[in-house]
Amino acid sequence: KNEVEQSPQNLTAQEGEFITINCSYSVGISALHWLQQHPGGGIVSLFMLSSGKKKHGRLIATINIQEKHSSLHITASHPRDSAVYICAAPYNFGNEKLTFGTGTRLTIIP
Amino acid sequence: NAGVTQTPKFQVLKTGQSMTLQCAQDMNHNSMYWYRQDPGMGLRLIYYSASEGTTDKGEVPNGYNVSRLNKREFSLRLESAAPSQTSVYFCASRLYGTGSTDTQYFGPGTRLTVL
Repeated sequence: KNEVEQSPQNLTAQEGEFITINCSYSVGISALHWLQQHPGGGIVSLFMLSSGKKKHGRLIATINIQEKHSSLHITASHPRDSAVYICAAPYNFGNEKLTFGTGTRLTIIP
Repeated sequence: NAGVTQTPKFQVLKTGQSMTLQCAQDMNHNSMYWYRQDPGMGLRLIYYSASEGTTDKGEVPNGYNVSRLNKREFSLRLESAAPSQTSVYFCASRLYGTGSTDTQYFGPGTRLTVL
């Protein structure tokens, strides 16, 4: 089973700052997922990516399959971005079961 | 289009009581999942179902049973609740293996307390 680690565990930043959250995993995979958990508890999928980079609004996700590493970037951060960001990787290549990181709690101060 | 719905939202049980958490999705997804989330730990897979009539154990299946009644519904049963099962439970569904449309959708969660 994949081991998924995220860093940092907690991140506080000023509004407008560029944010980077990191995720590393131990077993080669076909794709990695990024999710967002709102302060109220709801969970939303942000990205699934298997190579390169994906962009959605101010969110950018990158993955390096060889290094088993992914990053989630937020440009021009805003207080509404405050949430827990979670990465998840399949147990192993092609497996639909996912292992989740413990999450990065992001707080953006106005 | 309601997405993934879960009932109940909150539940308090006494040790030894039983209950069933209900989950339904209206997106015609094949795959459905039950997770639990505990403080300081990532989401952990309890059971999943790749299609109607099939179920498979995840990382923490002990103390739980599941039933995939049809394509829409996937229920989680606690036969004899224990305090260690106090957690927030999430149901999710997914159209697995479809490339760019392979997204996991989560229900709102059930907060369960076992006294």
